[in-house]
Amino acid sequence: DIQMTQSPSSVSASVGDRVTITCRASQGISSWLAWYQQKPGKAPKLLIYAASSLQSGVPSRFSGSGSGTDFTLTISSLQPEDFATYYCQQANSFPHTFGQGTKVEIK
Amino acid sequence: EVQLVESGGGLVQPGGSLRLSCAASGFTFSIYSMSWVRQAPGKGLEWVSYISSSSSAIYYADSVKGRFTISRDNAKNSLYLQMNSLRAEDTAVYYCARDNNWNYGDYWGQGTLVTVSS
Repeated sequence: DIQMTQSPSSVSASVGDRVTITCRASQGISSWLAWYQQKPGKAPKLLIYAASSLQSGVPSRFSGSGSGTDFTLTISSLQPEDFATYYCQQANSFPHTFGQGTKVEIK
Repeated sequence: EVQLVESGGGLVQPGGSLRLSCAASGFTFSIYSMSWVRQAPGKGLEWVSYISSSSSAIYYADSVKGRFTISRDNAKNSLYLQMNSLRAEDTAVYYCARDNNWNYGDYWGQGTLVTVSS
């Protein structure tokens, strides 16, 4: 199985900050990676798929990059509604494993 | 509007069984693959199972293989997860998700809580 490792596990940031979250796959997954946002008590929301494609309706301050084993989610200017937990997921092969999550907290 | 509504969760004793359902509406259910994802209390997301649009391809996480069975009824726009031999570690909120062309969940239900406890 492919293991997905996110870093950091948590990050404290202020409104307006640029935030970067990293996801590393245990083996190459080409561009088969997605990013989700989850708020407490809510279902996950798809932000980015195919490593860098923005899901419809998602603000352009979210962007994704990377291929192979190393991927990045960037929030260019953090907004109050962006405080949440973010997960990466690979769909290169089954099982479609998730990273452990990165919690973005208010500084 | 795409809607996914899970049901069937509840409290069950270890070793027991439960069948989850996911009712889909607002899209052509029969052409989309679907997945189940769970989240234990205070923990991260765990992918559980996948079924293709025609049920020709099915996959499970190792943690549930041999105990859980995913199925669908395209005529009823419904997805199911039959869970047998339940363990305490199966306690979680179970989400159904519609998979887009890249096999990522683009729409999710609100989740249904399964608690396995004596």
